[in-house]
Amino acid sequence: TQLLEQSPQFLSIQEGENLTVYCNSSSVFSSLQWYRQEPGEGPVLLVTVVTGGEVKKLKRLTFQFGDARKDSSLHITAAQPGDTGLYLCAGAHNYGQNFVFGPGTRLSVLP
Amino acid sequence: KAGVTQTPRYLIKTRGQQVTLSCSPISGHRSVSWYQQTPGQGLQFLFEYFSETQRNKGNFPGRFSGRQFSNSRSEMNVSTLELGDSALYLCASSLSRREDTQYFGPGTRLTVL
Repeated sequence: TQLLEQSPQFLSIQEGENLTVYCNSSSVFSSLQWYRQEPGEGPVLLVTVVTGGEVKKLKRLTFQFGDARKDSSLHITAAQPGDTGLYLCAGAHNYGQNFVFGPGTRLSVLP
Repeated sequence: KAGVTQTPRYLIKTRGQQVTLSCSPISGHRSVSWYQQTPGQGLQFLFEYFSETQRNKGNFPGRFSGRQFSNSRSEMNVSTLELGDSALYLCASSLSRREDTQYFGPGTRLTVL
């Protein structure tokens, strides 16, 4: 049973387009993280959000944590081929507990 | 500063064998976590070690075990390998407990034939 759902599962877009991927759960999380994983590598942490309604920006990436702390979104503006990878969200229910990962969204940005 | 290193990077075993994977965390990091990543189940938490003690454990059978040494290096062992154990095994280290930023290694790709 996936406690975290991510959509879409796959996304293929042209360079320069904007996109949004989603991470949803029926559970409340104390914190939520987004990672990007490239082929042959481990996931790399992009951001951690802890406050409901929080918005964080990392260059062309905008992360939002839902008000109820059950969902999150990642918006990429003007996608580039270097954004290609598997985007994973991970949530922790309580402080000190292990993070649960979603199945990921596989993004392909075509030049 | 060197990142998390995992050895070996690739491994092929047959059913029934056992395997030991190694993880060297970033210098100064004391917490090490292990994950299994498969296309069907995604990334699943195996266990976490801190100060040579297992702090958290995921929902995996007892065939999966691990340990951490005084220098924070960690090993995980899988006994009596099954075909379903084929996966990418990832190690992540952090300064202290898991709520800190985790840095993942490149993983060990295990294939069980």
